[in-house]
Amino acid sequence: GQNIDQPTEMTATEGAIVQINCTYQTSGFNGLFWYQQHAGEAPTFLSYNVLDGLEEKGRFSSFLSRSKGYSYLLLKELQMKDSASYLCAVGGAGGGNKLTFGTGTQLKVEL
Amino acid sequence: DARVTQTPRHKVTEMGQEVTMRCQPILGHNTVFWYRQTMMQGLELLAYFRNRAPLDDSGMPKDRFSAEMPDATLATLKIQPSEPRDSAVYFCASGGPDRANYGYTFGSGTRLTVV
Repeated sequence: GQNIDQPTEMTATEGAIVQINCTYQTSGFNGLFWYQQHAGEAPTFLSYNVLDGLEEKGRFSSFLSRSKGYSYLLLKELQMKDSASYLCAVGGAGGGNKLTFGTGTQLKVEL
Repeated sequence: DARVTQTPRHKVTEMGQEVTMRCQPILGHNTVFWYRQTMMQGLELLAYFRNRAPLDDSGMPKDRFSAEMPDATLATLKIQPSEPRDSAVYFCASGGPDRANYGYTFGSGTRLTVV
């Protein structure tokens, strides 16, 4: 089966840095996606990694190690509006272009 | 901005009734997914299409759910008969060759309540 693991919840302070980890064990892989989902809204795309290394996009960065089945999303200069669920998703898990999601990490940013 | 359009936004129906949810993917996107999201299970993949062909519907209860793409501008998800356990938010998402930069785009979802 396909296994994608993330912490259920995290809490961080406004202005700080937080790292959300994701580990995966899947029978196929053609990229790892991170999505943000605010309560009551649709998931929105944050980042995509297909090669090992760090991809930076403004305050958000995402890292991938394919040999370790590991990714993280790094959020810098946290703002209150960053309070949301962060979803890790593996493309190609189980073959083809399937996009399989982890259960998400609920991030709470506090003052 | 290009959007994935889902209708209806909300649906309340009685157990046993047929429910049809519709999705208009972004023009030019050739991959379409249907997901169901609940608090307990998170985002579950129900079915997906590439170039309108169904590639995988292993996540879908076959006895009551069906998914089709009658043309490139419309994807449908039907539940017949509906049951209270089908209550969830159903998302459609589409993606194209530029998904490395833009990912897959989700619609606003259909919030289904079966009473």
